[in-house]
Parts: sequence; structure tokens; C-alpha cells
Amino acid sequence: DADVTQTPRNRITKTGKRIMLECSQTKGHDRMYWYRQDPGLGLRLIYYSFDVKDINKGEISDGYSVSRQAQAKFSLSLESAIPNQTALYFCATSEPGGQGKFYNEQFFGPGTRLTVL
Amino acid sequence: RKEVEQDPGPFNVPEGATVAFNCTYSNSASQSFFWYRQDCRKEPKLLMSVYSSGNEDGRFTAQLNRASQYISLLIRDSKLSDSATYLCVVIRTGNQFYFGTGTSLTVIP
Repeated sequence: DADVTQTPRNRITKTGKRIMLECSQTKGHDRMYWYRQDPGLGLRLIYYSFDVKDINKGEISDGYSVSRQAQAKFSLSLESAIPNQTALYFCATSEPGGQGKFYNEQFFGPGTRLTVL
Repeated sequence: RKEVEQDPGPFNVPEGATVAFNCTYSNSASQSFFWYRQDCRKEPKLLMSVYSSGNEDGRFTAQLNRASQYISLLIRDSKLSDSATYLCVVIRTGNQFYFGTGTSLTVIP
């Protein structure tokens, strides 16, 4: 079974609809992230959480909200979807840095392809 | 100016060739550096971390040049299985994560 799972894997929705993307992990990591990937723009960080009570905005948080329901679950919501939120969304997890390293490897889920019509 | 810039390529090289990618970053406060590999329509996966002293893993060598603010990835003896997009990642103070747009590599038989 995959360590980081995302549901749904594909979603088509209409402008104005509320949609939630879910991420679950079995790696036991405290840190979780949401990214979106667009052609020519690379991955951009939307939100991140370093533990259950910690939520932080990333580079492009406008139009999105998140919920960290448990160590293993981190959900991304689009309150009112718009077409330019059409993208590939990735969830990722990591352990804190240690032994002189600030950050460790991030493990990504398989992605959710979202289309907003 | 973008935080992280990569030449998108594509790089088309024959099997056995040596190929190098560079990635420049704009903020000197950047702390951590990584190379990830992403296959088509798949999730990124860590290829290697990049240390100030440089590091090597088999056919792959990564280097960091803080003075010129770039990181590099060298692939020797290219294999068909190396065909992918290579993403550089730069993290700076305040937990700011920046991915490059990726460099596309195709290794040709």
C-alpha cells in the first residue's frame, strides 16, 4: 500500500463549487504539505503544517483552505472553485530536519488532477 | 525574478552520454537544496540532496556553488531509464519552499 494517498485521483467540477481534496499518510511524519503543479510554473506550495496544531500559508494560499484533522490527514479545500485552479495537486510529507539538516526528503502522493469548468 | 530558474530543455542525449543541468537561485539566504526526479504524470521523488561539499551517488553528482548561487546535477553514462524531468528544490529561511520548473531529459538508444 502506498505511504501517501490522495483522494480523489481525478475530479472535474464546475465554477463556484466547493471541493475537498484529501491526503492520508502512514509514514508517521509530522510535516505535511499541499502543492499545485502547472505547466511552465513548476510546483508551488499552497499550505503546510508541521504538526496537528500548526498551519501555515505557502506561496499561493489565496482561494484555498486546509484542515489538519490528525497527524495522518491533511485536507485541502477550494471554497468556490474557479477555472484557473485547474491543476495537478500533490500532497507531501516529511520528517523534521536533524543532524545539521534543516529539511529532509519530502514524500509525495500520486496527485489529484483537478479540472474546473 | 523567479526564486529558482532551470533551463526547461529538452535535453536529448544518446545512451552513455554525460549530461549536466544547472539551477540558479536568487536568494542568498537559501539553506537546503535538493534534486528530485519526476516521471511523466507521476509524483516527484527525491534523487539526491545537495551538500556544500558536493556529493555523489553512483552515476549522479550534485554540487552547490553558494558564491554564484547555483546547484548542478551531472549524470554520467546515461541510461534509457534516466529519461525524466529533473526538478531542483531550494528552501530558504522561514520555511519557504521553491521548486524549479524542471529540466526534461530524454535518453535516446
